Amino acid sequence: GQQVMQIPQYQHVQEGEDFTTYCNSSTTLSNIQWYKQRPGGHPVFLIQLVKSGEVKKQKRLTFQFGEAKKNSSLHITATQTTDVGTYFCAGTSGAGNNRKLIWGLGTSLAVNP
Amino acid sequence: DSGVTQTPKHLITATGQRVTLRCSPRSGDLSVYWYQQSLDQGLQFLIQYYNGEERAKGNILERFSAQQFPDLHSELNLSSLELGDSALYFCASSVRGRRGGTDTQYFGPGTRLTVL
Repeated sequence: GQQVMQIPQYQHVQEGEDFTTYCNSSTTLSNIQWYKQRPGGHPVFLIQLVKSGEVKKQKRLTFQFGEAKKNSSLHITATQTTDVGTYFCAGTSGAGNNRKLIWGLGTSLAVNP
Repeated sequence: DSGVTQTPKHLITATGQRVTLRCSPRSGDLSVYWYQQSLDQGLQFLIQYYNGEERAKGNILERFSAQQFPDLHSELNLSSLELGDSALYFCASSVRGRRGGTDTQYFGPGTRLTVL
């Protein structure tokens, strides 16, 4: 079936190091969303990408949508302890009545101060 | 604070029982989504309602049901509970109800269900 794979599942970094999580779909996505869930919290919307090859930045976070609209990445430059949490991607696949939002399993980021 | 409220915060019950989780969406949002989050399963989409009507169905068990009322609040009913139903249940809302949940979703704080 339709899947969105997210890698890595876990990542430990030293504060100041960069971090990247990748989202790969088995089918073409019409758009992709990214959410962040802090420990003990709820998912919070970060961004939505729609266009092929789109790149968006939010301060130290850079989001990319692949040219084929089958993959996406979130890159954090110079991580801080406030970046700790689980990052989820969610892609929209299919059309009409078959359109579905498919969630990745998330990448949990731990940052050592 | 997302503006989405969920009650109760915690619920402890026994196997075989039935519980109801409640969600109030953000003011103005017409769509409500329910998710289950277990430790090893990530976020599992259960069901979406838009303006009182079921819009999309995910991996919702037959023992589970939901509805959205005229005032737009929603309830998720879980029956014949099993140990494996222990999880965090999130409700989310969005302004519109496009199929596939492509609208930005605002999540509530969740209800932690423990089945003993």
